[in-house]
Amino acid sequence: ILNVEQSPQSLHVQEGDSTNFTCSFPSSNFYALHWYRWETAKSPEALFVMTLNGDEKKKGRISATLNTKEGYSYLYIKGSQPEDSATYLCASANQAGTALIFGKGTTLSVSS
Amino acid sequence: SQTIHQWPATLVQPVGSPLSLECTVEGTSNPNLYWYRQAAGRGLQLLFYSVGIGQISSEVPQNLSASRPQDRQFILSSKKLLLSDSGFYLCAWSAGGTYGYTFGSGTRLTVV
Repeated sequence: ILNVEQSPQSLHVQEGDSTNFTCSFPSSNFYALHWYRWETAKSPEALFVMTLNGDEKKKGRISATLNTKEGYSYLYIKGSQPEDSATYLCASANQAGTALIFGKGTTLSVSS
Repeated sequence: SQTIHQWPATLVQPVGSPLSLECTVEGTSNPNLYWYRQAAGRGLQLLFYSVGIGQISSEVPQNLSASRPQDRQFILSSKKLLLSDSGFYLCAWSAGGTYGYTFGSGTRLTVV
């Protein structure tokens, strides 16, 4: 069974702080790694899909890196804002690449 | 553009009653379809996925079943609900491969 772990479980930062979260996943039979942002009372929204070892993706102040050989990905938020408050989910595809297995998420709270 | 509809938004059902949650996708054909559940204090758990009409894969044994009677329709059912079926149910679709998922708005199910 594919097991995706995320840390920390929750995080509280001040506006302007930079922060990062970790996602670990099995490195064998790797297919793809996804990051999603899930805001309260909304549906999860896709941030990044990463497939290549060493891949780095960026969207505004948010970026992510991928290490498929050691099975981890980092999500970085530069200069956190209150609107960044959400749960950040990572997910790894199953061996067939037909479904995503999600971690439990990291809940970020940004205070102004 | 593609849209995904999921209903109802909230549902309170007694133990032992049946369940039917419906999800439909518009603006695409032959999507991969998914049902996830988030139980209290837990992460998103994959319940079922489908890569085509009549093709259903179950990730965990449970009191639920899924059907895909039409290309863009995915139904989650139960003959007799248990208290442990309470949770937040999310439907999602994907074009497959390394495309991201688009989630519906979710159904909050409370079994009493």
